[in-house]
Amino acid sequence: IAGITQAPTSQILAAGRRMTLRCTQDMRHNAMYWYRQDLGLGLRLIHYSNTAGTTGKGEVPDGYSVSRANTDDFPLTLASAVPSQTSVYFCASSDQPGQITDTQYFGPGTRLTVL
Amino acid sequence: GQNIDQPTEMTATEGAIVQINCTYQTSGFNGLFWYQQHAGEAPTFLSYNVLDGLEEKGRFSSFLSRSKGYSYLLLKELQMKDSASYLCAVMDSNYQLIWGAGTKLIIKP
Repeated sequence: IAGITQAPTSQILAAGRRMTLRCTQDMRHNAMYWYRQDLGLGLRLIHYSNTAGTTGKGEVPDGYSVSRANTDDFPLTLASAVPSQTSVYFCASSDQPGQITDTQYFGPGTRLTVL
Repeated sequence: GQNIDQPTEMTATEGAIVQINCTYQTSGFNGLFWYQQHAGEAPTFLSYNVLDGLEEKGRFSSFLSRSKGYSYLLLKELQMKDSASYLCAVMDSNYQLIWGAGTKLIIKP
């Protein structure tokens, strides 16, 4: 089934630990995105990649890093987790970044708790 | 700054019509999107407006007025499965989506 997969589904992590959230899409979309969603706030963009080999910073990039070695995978790494990074993380992809008709499609999310 | 406002929560009755409003102030405008998000699930695309006016898609319609910085999502013949959060998002001048906090819609029998 075409779409976006994320792993893990949920995770409880001790503060200070390193964690990588995985995201894979099989739609051959050019662009991929990482968002965090917190209660009472809209989705906030962490990092994005408009094409393989390139990445950019979103609204809330501090404490996170990404890489885009190929079209399908876009892992998000927390180098040293802090409690304020407790959130639900969504990966998304789109085919036509920079076009007004571009539509983003979302993965199922990863619920991360940092203690 | 960039700002998108939606009501936090709305309640409606099964079979009725509900209108969810969204107002925005953003750096540039390249389109307005509506997404549906059921509790614990991913957002899913509903509709898109780039020009003023009404876009109809089955039981759902979306309206845009760029001069007023205003949009609404209209849901007709409400069903229990329409209970969800509805997210308004604006594509800004950098072609990035700026998201509202979402409106939680509760449908009562």
